[in-house]
Amino acid sequence: QITLRESGPTLVKPTQTLTLTCTFSGFSLSTTGVGVGWIRQPPGKALEWLALIYWNDDKLYTPSLKSRLTVTKDTSKNQVALTMTNVDPVDTATYYCAHRPGFWSGYFSFWGQGVLVTVSS
Amino acid sequence: DIQMTQSPSSLSASVGDRVTITCQASQDINNYLNWYQQRPGEAPKLLIFDTSALETGVPSRFSGSGSGTQFTLTISNLEPEDIATYHCQQYGGLPLTFGGGTKVEIK
Repeated sequence: QITLRESGPTLVKPTQTLTLTCTFSGFSLSTTGVGVGWIRQPPGKALEWLALIYWNDDKLYTPSLKSRLTVTKDTSKNQVALTMTNVDPVDTATYYCAHRPGFWSGYFSFWGQGVLVTVSS
Repeated sequence: DIQMTQSPSSLSASVGDRVTITCQASQDINNYLNWYQQRPGEAPKLLIFDTSALETGVPSRFSGSGSGTQFTLTISNLEPEDIATYHCQQYGGLPLTFGGGTKVEIK
């Protein structure tokens, strides 16, 4: 059974750096083809894909936020981290991590429950 | 970026109705289109991948079709538990992009 859970601060101040952790079970990020993605959803708005990290440490980022995002993995701990620098109130959103089952699988098959991050002074 | 336009943005239908949601891509994405269901207060859940493949455990009243730039999600017999927002997502090009969502309510 695959599960994912996001953790991190729920309130951050503008200009600070946000770090979220995704802890997962039921799969390994050392398995060929597997990836973990980050997606966010501002309150009442659409989903926005942010980043993706693969088993081989390849990383993809959405271009509009690429300069502010870093995604890393710790395979031994079954964790993936997302760092976002210089946050702004527009970054207020629920942040989800999700499992991508294969390199050629373009979908996210399992999602965490999400963590609501508010950016406010 | 490939823009995904969903319509309608919301709809109200009766239990037992046939419901159709469309998703239009700004360029050809082949069949690289997925659908997710997001119930109120919950995370999205994969319903259909690669345009028409039903995820394991998803009821057969859900179906998907389309190709190129036009795609459709159909609920053949609306049930009360189908109250949710439905999102399309393309992976025909980077960045991955989602539609704006369609909120389905029961009349």
